Amino acid sequence: AQSVTQLDSQVPVFEEAPVELRCNYSSSVSVYLFWYVQYPNQGLQLLLKYLSGSTLVKGINGFEAEFNKSQTSFHLRKPSVHISDTAEYFCAVSGLDQTGANNLFFGTGTRLTVIP
Amino acid sequence: DVKVTQSSRYLVKRTGEKVFLECVQDMDHENMFWYRQDPGLGLRLIYFSYDVKMKEKGDIPEGYSVSREKKERFSLILESASTNQTSMYLCASSLLEGAGETQYFGPGTRLLVL
Repeated sequence: AQSVTQLDSQVPVFEEAPVELRCNYSSSVSVYLFWYVQYPNQGLQLLLKYLSGSTLVKGINGFEAEFNKSQTSFHLRKPSVHISDTAEYFCAVSGLDQTGANNLFFGTGTRLTVIP
Repeated sequence: DVKVTQSSRYLVKRTGEKVFLECVQDMDHENMFWYRQDPGLGLRLIYFSYDVKMKEKGDIPEGYSVSREKKERFSLILESASTNQTSMYLCASSLLEGAGETQYFGPGTRLLVL
């Protein structure tokens, strides 16, 4: 079964500082990995996803993530954060559920707070 | 742009009431999903549908049912609302079935059951 662990529930960081949001997954098969962002009072939107190919994936708003198969990780990074990056970030893995359907399994989320 | 709309942003209901949450997508997507989001628990899948009139249980279907009579509309029904169903409900859609498909989310409905 697939599962996702987001190690940090809250990450405060000063504006213009770099940030890394950690995500580890468990899966016995090939994985597809996602990062979604949820701004206050909004639904989720896709930041980036890894399907295959280059392990470094670039997304919107200057974010990138690196797929590391040996460490089963997919950490999200941004070299310099902005106030507008304050949001909740969810890591997700795509895989087969108990019905045999391909669905997303989400982590518990990391709340990123950018401090002016 | 894909648009997923949910009928209400905020809803207050009383215990025992029947509650309908509506979701509509405008991009002819095959698949639709209902999640609930709770602090510290992330998103949990309630039900999903890969076709009209088709439905499958997700991880936490108890106390819920769904209806998909038309491709663009997916309704979540709380047959008899209880206080432990107070939560944020998110609807999503994706174009095709399959791993790697991006899901597009609505803005959410925050439901309070008193």
